[in-house]
Amino acid sequence: AQKVTQAQTEISVVEKEDVTLDCVYETRDTTYYLFWYKQPPSGELVFLIRRNSFDEQNEISGRYSWNFQKSTSSFNFTITASQVVDSAVYFCALSEERAQKLVFGQGTRLTINP
Amino acid sequence: DGGITQSPKYLFRKEGQNVTLSCEQNLNHDAMYWYRQDPGQGLRLIYYSQIVNDFQKGDIAEGYSVSREKKESFPLTVTSAQKNPTAFYLCASSLPKGLALSYNEQFFGPGTRLTVL
Repeated sequence: AQKVTQAQTEISVVEKEDVTLDCVYETRDTTYYLFWYKQPPSGELVFLIRRNSFDEQNEISGRYSWNFQKSTSSFNFTITASQVVDSAVYFCALSEERAQKLVFGQGTRLTINP
Repeated sequence: DGGITQSPKYLFRKEGQNVTLSCEQNLNHDAMYWYRQDPGQGLRLIYYSQIVNDFQKGDIAEGYSVSREKKESFPLTVTSAQKNPTAFYLCASSLPKGLALSYNEQFFGPGTRLTVL
């Protein structure tokens, strides 16, 4: 069965600090996909990134970076030089090759204080 | 602009009443989904549909019903059998499996917040 764990329920940092959101997943499939979504206060989920299980290269997009490590079943998300606009709930999600659905973690509420 | 619309944004219901939440997309996506989100929790799948006139139960389908008569529309009915319906409901859509560029990447609507009085 597929499962996603985001152990950090809430994180609060001061603006310009770097922050890492952890995501650990469980799956029996060799082919799977990992996602990160952002949910701002408005409620709508915004897609950030997708990674397939065969691509372990880290990815950087502006201040955002993702570290995918199959050896530890982790897909962590780092925000560099955080800004107040980064305040949101962030969800990690997993989809197995055979499944037609996403399984979400509990989410991490990130608050960036000015 | 392509996207997903959900209406209404806020919905109030009396106990014992059925209520239908609307979800419409103009992204030409085949697959559509309904999720429920409770405070401080992740999203849980209620129902999903891969093609018109076909849908499957998700993890928490009891007390809910759906229909998929048109590709663009996937309404969710919260019935009186749902014991605790107060929650935030999100609709999503995606391209069908097999299109590698966007496999299972789901696009979400703005959500409907349902409150039972």
